[in-house]
Amino acid sequence: DSGVTQTPKHLITATGQRVTLRCSPRSGDLSVYWYQQSLDQGLQFLIQYYNGEERAKGNILERFSAQQFPDLHSELNLSSLELGDSALYFCASARGTGGSVDTQYFGPGTRLTVL
Amino acid sequence: ILNVEQSPQSLHVQEGDSTNFTCSFPSSNFYALHWYRWETAKSPEALFVMTLNGDEKKKGQISATLNTKEGYSYLYIKGSQPEDSATYLCACHTGNQFYFGTGTSLTVIP
Repeated sequence: DSGVTQTPKHLITATGQRVTLRCSPRSGDLSVYWYQQSLDQGLQFLIQYYNGEERAKGNILERFSAQQFPDLHSELNLSSLELGDSALYFCASARGTGGSVDTQYFGPGTRLTVL
Repeated sequence: ILNVEQSPQSLHVQEGDSTNFTCSFPSSNFYALHWYRWETAKSPEALFVMTLNGDEKKKGQISATLNTKEGYSYLYIKGSQPEDSATYLCACHTGNQFYFGTGTSLTVIP
């Protein structure tokens, strides 16, 4: 158990809908990262927050947005869902400075199925 | 998009064998190289973070080396055990985002 929690564990929804995935980092960790793993692609970095502010952005679609709240938990919002958004979404947290060398601890993931 | 390649894609070894895999990345815009161990139905688990050319890291029977000039990292497992069976994933950080390889799937046969 990494100490990172993600809810819900599974989510099934329809195309066009909007969902929110939640991540609680390990106690004391200031950084949260979001990743997507779909069947036809490997792990893709979406976005990173550090202490409430966006730190780095990867291949995140405009239909997706994220934020980190004052208590450091983070939410990933996915809207206008398409079949191709079906994937496993991981969040990870890290303690350090928000830079490239921080060790990341991954949560168990949220499996999203869009029908 | 940065191309991070891992080889081989999969590997089967006998218990007790030593093995190694490669992670290749473009040497320009390099900040850090991360190695992860990912067991089926679990989450990736961090093994090493490496930044300097010539870096060597070790954790138990697993070690890694880094060559930033030529753009590769090796992961070695000495005396593989069945519990080492997993996918080993590397990720290159360019200073503003991570790029992952597709992993090497290791199966250790008892």
